[in-house]
Amino acid sequence: TQLLEQSPQFLSIQEGENLTVYCNSSSVFSSLQWYRQEPGEGPVLLVTVVTGGEVKKLKRLTFQFGDARKDSSLHITAAQPGDTGLYLCAGKNAGGTSYGKLTFGQGTILTVHP
Amino acid sequence: EAQVTQNPRYLITVTGKKLTVTCSQNMNHEYMSWYRQDPGLGLRQIYYSMNVEVTDKGDVPEGYKVSRKEKRNFPLILESPSPNQTSLYFCASSPGTELYGYTFGSGTRLTVV
Repeated sequence: TQLLEQSPQFLSIQEGENLTVYCNSSSVFSSLQWYRQEPGEGPVLLVTVVTGGEVKKLKRLTFQFGDARKDSSLHITAAQPGDTGLYLCAGKNAGGTSYGKLTFGQGTILTVHP
Repeated sequence: EAQVTQNPRYLITVTGKKLTVTCSQNMNHEYMSWYRQDPGLGLRQIYYSMNVEVTDKGDVPEGYKVSRKEKRNFPLILESPSPNQTSLYFCASSPGTELYGYTFGSGTRLTVV
């Protein structure tokens, strides 16, 4: 079973601060996805990164896929209370009999205080 | 509106009473999947399907069954529910190509007493 280690598990910061969430694995993934989940709702896709070294920006959020396609990071600039939520990374299997299978990290609970 | 619809949203049942949680998507997606979410354990895949009549086990398939007779529907069946299957369940679908992620349903909170 492929594992994704996500850190930190909890993050409590003040409005305006920057933060980075990490997602690491010993396995290679064909793509890495980031989701955000609100209480009582399903995860919502933020971004998919596919190419090693790829960087994608979504307003104040910057996502990076490692060169070896084993790790990823999410950086938020000038966090706002509306960024509060559970952030999840998920890796898609590279091939073999489990092609397309998605493995999730444990998640990072982010709280941004006004 | 493009969406994944799960029913019911909430369900309380007794041990051993067979139940089905329905999942339907209107996006013509090939991939569908079921997850359970538990505190401290994150999202764990139960079963997934790459297309009609093609399914495979995820990480925690014991005690669950699925079927994919039509592209849009992917029901989750608990033949004999037990209290350790009390959890929050999510159905999700995807076009299956690398560029696209999964669209999740709103979840089904199941309690087995």
